[in-house]
Amino acid sequence: KAGVTQTPRYLIKTRGQQVTLSCSPISGHRSVSWYQQTPGQGLQFLFEYFSETQRNKGNFPGRFSGRQFSNSRSEMNVSTLELGDSALYLCASSLGQGSPNYGYTFGSGTRLTVV
Amino acid sequence: GNSVTQMEGPVTLSEEAFLTINCTYTATGYPSLFWYVQYPGEGLQLLLKATKADDKGSNKGFEATYRKETTSFHLEKGSVQVSDSAVYFCALRGSQGNLIFGKGTKLSVKP
Repeated sequence: KAGVTQTPRYLIKTRGQQVTLSCSPISGHRSVSWYQQTPGQGLQFLFEYFSETQRNKGNFPGRFSGRQFSNSRSEMNVSTLELGDSALYLCASSLGQGSPNYGYTFGSGTRLTVV
Repeated sequence: GNSVTQMEGPVTLSEEAFLTINCTYTATGYPSLFWYVQYPGEGLQLLLKATKADDKGSNKGFEATYRKETTSFHLEKGSVQVSDSAVYFCALRGSQGNLIFGKGTKLSVKP
C-alpha cells in the first residue's frame, strides 16, 4: 500500500511569505502529526490532528498552523516566514491518536528553505 | 518533563564491527520506546520498538532492550554493514501521544 506522501519535496521561499505543505497519510490512518527537523534543535513536535481536530500541539508560535480534512489529508501553514523556519518538515501518520501500540509512519519530508 | 539523551556522534566503524548506541530517557511512567533510522535525503523509518519494561525490540539484526532500572534503551548490532550508515534516533512516546526524540547519532561504516 502507498506510504505517507508529502508534497512538495522542496520549497524555496522569501522571508515574510507564507507557505502551505501537504501530507497524505496511509489509507485508513486517521491521525497525522507534524515535526520540524533542524540541525540545531533536532526533531520537534509541531501538532497532531485526528478526525479533523487538533488534539495536541507543541511549543511553536502561532505562525505555525494546520488542518485536517475529512479524508485525513493534512496541511500545515507557516505565515510570515523567518530564516529560522528553514527546516525539513516531516509528517507522520498513525491508525489512532495516542494509543501506545500504534506506530507512526513517516513521509520523506518537505525541505523548506527561507531566503 | 520527558526527554531522551543519546550518545553524540559521529560514530565511525569498520564493516563487521559491533555497534552500540546508548540511549537513556526521563519520563513519567513507562512510555513506549523507539529507534528510528534516517538515510540521507529521506524521512524517518521505524527500526524497532518496545512497549513495556524488559521487552526486546529487534529488526534487521538490530536489537534494543527496554531497561526500566537504568531507564535505557541501547541499540546494538553484532556486525554492521556499509548499508547501515545513517542517522539513528531514539524516541519515546510522550503522555500526549507525540514522539520525543533524542538528537540523533550519525553512524558511518567503512568497508
